[in-house]
Amino acid sequence: QKEVEQDPGPLSVPEGAIVSLNCTYSNSAFQYFMWYRQYSRKGPELLMYTYSSGNKEDGRFTAQVDKSSKYISLFIRDSQPSDSATYLCAMSSNTGNQFYFGTGTSLTVIP
Amino acid sequence: KAGVTQTPRYLIKTRGQQVTLSCSPISGHRSVSWYQQTPGQGLQFLFEYFSETQRNKGNFPGRFSGRQFSNSRSEMNVSTLELGDSALYLCASSRRDRENSPLHFGNGTRLTVT
Repeated sequence: QKEVEQDPGPLSVPEGAIVSLNCTYSNSAFQYFMWYRQYSRKGPELLMYTYSSGNKEDGRFTAQVDKSSKYISLFIRDSQPSDSATYLCAMSSNTGNQFYFGTGTSLTVIP
Repeated sequence: KAGVTQTPRYLIKTRGQQVTLSCSPISGHRSVSWYQQTPGQGLQFLFEYFSETQRNKGNFPGRFSGRQFSNSRSEMNVSTLELGDSALYLCASSRRDRENSPLHFGNGTRLTVT
């Protein structure tokens, strides 16, 4: 079993929709959770960085962590065509020795 | 603040050759990590350097090596290239002088082995 599981999609939504992206994980030691956005031919760009459980909001983006279920989510409100990209989740433990990445979900927002 | 810079952006090499990739981290970041990204495997961790010392290593053969200089810049070398080494190689920097600073990635070097 992989440390981090992420549905690869592809996911296609109309402009203005609410998008939900999810990852599950197996290691209960993970405490730090990140979401990255990767455009074609670019490197991953850090979107959200959260610690432990709870919600964090930044503009149209909300990151949610449910440690009891080992489940994290990224919500995108009022999605725009510019949000079309691959979204990667990542996580690490308190020791922070290594980061574990999901395989990425490909999102297309249709105008 | 300048981001992580990787050079070159694209490389085409032949099987058996060797290649060196370069990475300049964000100013003040002392940790540099390298990842290989392929469509089938996603992001695979190669190694991490902190203050010129390799701190962590992934499960890659010894053909993959790296180093870090006193200014935190890093290089990655792959010897005896194989077709399967074709991938996007990403460098990421972080502060890491405190635990769990997030990674900041460059735009990668796209390596094609023919």
